[in-house]
Amino acid sequence: GEDVEQSLFLSVREGDSSVINCTYTDSSSTYLYWYKQEPGAGLQLLTYIFSNMDMKQDQRLTVLLNKKDKHLSLRIADTQTGDSAIYFCAERGGGFKTIFGAGTRLFVKA
Amino acid sequence: DADVTQTPRNRITKTGKRIMLECSQTKGHDRMYWYRQDPGLGLRLIYYSFDVKDINKGEISDGYSVSRQAQAKFSLSLESAIPNQTALYFCATSDSGRGVNTGELFFGEGSRLTVL
Repeated sequence: GEDVEQSLFLSVREGDSSVINCTYTDSSSTYLYWYKQEPGAGLQLLTYIFSNMDMKQDQRLTVLLNKKDKHLSLRIADTQTGDSAIYFCAERGGGFKTIFGAGTRLFVKA
Repeated sequence: DADVTQTPRNRITKTGKRIMLECSQTKGHDRMYWYRQDPGLGLRLIYYSFDVKDINKGEISDGYSVSRQAQAKFSLSLESAIPNQTALYFCATSDSGRGVNTGELFFGEGSRLTVL
């Protein structure tokens, strides 16, 4: 079945770039997403990329998609302490269900 | 006020008790979902509903049931709670509407359930 995998932890220094990686198995994915979960809150969509795109940039965020390798990454430039959160990779396949990875907890050290 | 509201936000109960988690939304969305979040496992889909008369099982529906009382309300029940159902539960909505539809999910703040 569909599966989304990502590493569980990432620690960076304030001001550095953060790169969170994700792999997925569903070749029929239409949209791929990055959701952010702050402590005590639900998930909120951070950004998304349509499957026919290779890259999407939105201010400090860059999403790269390699469809051949089924690899998605999220780069956060100039990482700030306010970026500390759990980041979930997710994909929407042909069944119109959204499948989530386990989430990567980003720690930002001042 | 939140667009997707879950009640209760926290609940502690005992094994064998019946529990209902409620979700209501003011977004006017037709699709509603229940997920559970466990550390290291991410979010797993329990049930989803694409409209009032449509209920579908997700990947982990055993031990759970749902009711879609109206377009705006979707409740999750645990008929006889067990300790491994201790988790954070999220309700979410999405819109199947016309035009470009990215499938974005809108989440409630979560209901933390502890089964002793």
